[in-house]
Amino acid sequence: GESVGLHLPTLSVQEGDNSIINCAYSNSASDYFIWYKQESGKGPQFIIDIRSNMDKRQGQRVTVLLNKTVKHLSLQIAATQPGDSAVYFCAYRDDKIIFGKGTRLHILP
Amino acid sequence: GAVVSQHPSRVICKSGTSVKIECRSLDFQATTMFWYRQFPKKSLMLMATSNEGSKATYEQGVEKDKFLINHASLTLSTLTVTSAHPEDSSFYICSASGPPVDEQFFGPGTRLTVL
Repeated sequence: GESVGLHLPTLSVQEGDNSIINCAYSNSASDYFIWYKQESGKGPQFIIDIRSNMDKRQGQRVTVLLNKTVKHLSLQIAATQPGDSAVYFCAYRDDKIIFGKGTRLHILP
Repeated sequence: GAVVSQHPSRVICKSGTSVKIECRSLDFQATTMFWYRQFPKKSLMLMATSNEGSKATYEQGVEKDKFLINHASLTLSTLTVTSAHPEDSSFYICSASGPPVDEQFFGPGTRLTVL
């Protein structure tokens, strides 16, 4: 069946450095991907999305890259801050949103 | 973005009792609402999709008689966990979508603990 998975369960990054969170997907038909941030005890928060007709999209301090050839998605966070500490999920959407496994981003002082 | 609320935010109940969780769209009409469950350190798993005025569609492996979903209005959906047991303890999150936007907005979640 469809699945969205993440390469690393935990990522530790020095404050101020860039963070890269990776995601692999298996469903070739997926054409809309989303990254979410979830802080402890809260619901997921939309960060950025990308459609399959694009390979890159930028937001404020975040960039999403999509490589359809290898079915890979990444989220890049520039100048990581303590407030970026959270679990990050990639997800795809058709008529509903299906979440990947999540990566915890830990910021080192 | 649009706001989705959940009530209660936390609930503790005894085994065998039923618990109702509400999900409300505060500033838009939610024609579709989704219910997710999240166990500790795990991802969100979709339980069911409900369209206003019709029966919910449950994902494979989710017991519809155990998790009763009602979506009687365009701003409210409820999830009732019937005869709750400790293994039902989880974080339950709803999301909602409706015109004119196509986006799905998530609620803050409800922490259920069954003793």
